[in-house]
Amino acid sequence: EAQVTQNPRYLITVTGKKLTVTCSQNMNHEYMSWYRQDPGLGLRQIYYSMNVEVTDKGDVPEGYKVSRKEKRNFPLILESPSPNQTSLYFCASSLIVGGGGDTQYFGPGTRLTVL
Amino acid sequence: AQTVTQSQPEMSVQEAETVTLSCTYDTSESDYYLFWYKQPPSRQMILVIRQEAYKQQNATENRFSVNFQKAAKSFSLKISDSQLGDAAMYFCAYRRSGGGADGLTFGKGTHLIIQP
Repeated sequence: EAQVTQNPRYLITVTGKKLTVTCSQNMNHEYMSWYRQDPGLGLRQIYYSMNVEVTDKGDVPEGYKVSRKEKRNFPLILESPSPNQTSLYFCASSLIVGGGGDTQYFGPGTRLTVL
Repeated sequence: AQTVTQSQPEMSVQEAETVTLSCTYDTSESDYYLFWYKQPPSRQMILVIRQEAYKQQNATENRFSVNFQKAAKSFSLKISDSQLGDAAMYFCAYRRSGGGADGLTFGKGTHLIIQP
């Protein structure tokens, strides 16, 4: 089954404790992206990757890092989480870079709470 | 920068009736894509419908259809014969055609309530 998986689905942590949210897709997609969703703000892009070893900032990259060492994986790293990073996080992937209209497949979301 | 505006934070409709969710956007591009995503209580993001800006014909998917007005930069979603399972947050989104790195630009969402 074609899918995007994220782990963990729920995470409660404390300020400053480094964490990683994993994302994996099994569709051989080139493009992968992270979004965060906050009430009243919709979804905003954090980082994206157009292929292995190619990553760049989205609209709200502060406080986050990513890496793309393998095509299927795109982990999101919070090196020193703060309470303002409490949010719902989505990973997404799509097949064609630059197509625009290609369907973005979303993972199930990760609910992160930073105390 | 592109912006997407959903002016209705919440809408309510009786089961079996028709409801229209509004979306307007701002862009200087002539070629782009517009999307409606559904987010049920499970939080999964589900693509409902997609419209290519260069196509005049409005997209339709079963009970879901859009009214795309390119000159007015309007992209509303009509849900016919509303069902209880349609209750969800609905997000309108934009993406530039051939955008390369561009991700989706989302509106803030409309919470749709279905009254039985």
